[in-house]
Amino acid sequence: QQPVQSPQAVILREGEDAVINCSSSKALYSVHWYRQKHGEAPVFLMILLKGGEQKGHDKISASFNEKKQQSSLYLTASQLSYSGTYFCGTEGAQKLVFGQGTRLTINP
Amino acid sequence: DVKVTQSSRYLVKRTGEKVFLECVQDMDHENMFWYRQDPGLGLRLIYFSYDVKMKEKGDIPEGYSVSREKKERFSLILESASTNQTSMYLCASSLPPNQPQHFGDGTRLSIL
Repeated sequence: QQPVQSPQAVILREGEDAVINCSSSKALYSVHWYRQKHGEAPVFLMILLKGGEQKGHDKISASFNEKKQQSSLYLTASQLSYSGTYFCGTEGAQKLVFGQGTRLTINP
Repeated sequence: DVKVTQSSRYLVKRTGEKVFLECVQDMDHENMFWYRQDPGLGLRLIYFSYDVKMKEKGDIPEGYSVSREKKERFSLILESASTNQTSMYLCASSLPPNQPQHFGDGTRLSIL
């Protein structure tokens, strides 16, 4: 079953913060996050492997709440380069099931 | 850096044609995947393969087949193309189990 991402789209000004949520009706064992810029291939951001794990690099971080079966991606002090569509992927048997994506637009 | 190469960036075919989409990766990854991307629907898995000559159906395999004769190459075949198969097709590869996936640039396929 496809995980559900929210919001579907968000528009920010440069420097503002954003949170993207990914919820699953099934138990989660790991969550992947990817970003796809317009006209380009999706690019891996991070994997969260354990419940409660938090990761981050630069000003992008993520958390994984196993009990709530959800993960959240946090973008702090957003930059123009953060624009794109963000996908979460939840782990199945040797495969991922991706959410429908969240389109993030950062305006100057 | 991992390189995943898809044979065509844009492709136009006619209804009923047999269509081949090719994908090659250069990092000796066991796992390879074919996705279809449509607006508002995200990335939907068509087929994947975890070894040469092995294949598994994804979520939307109807109307498609795949071939993996060599480890580096994974082909998607539309047996008889239909207009509802007009879409962006993305190939990806990864190490098992469920390591980061590396995507190709995609093939935008139009079926007329």
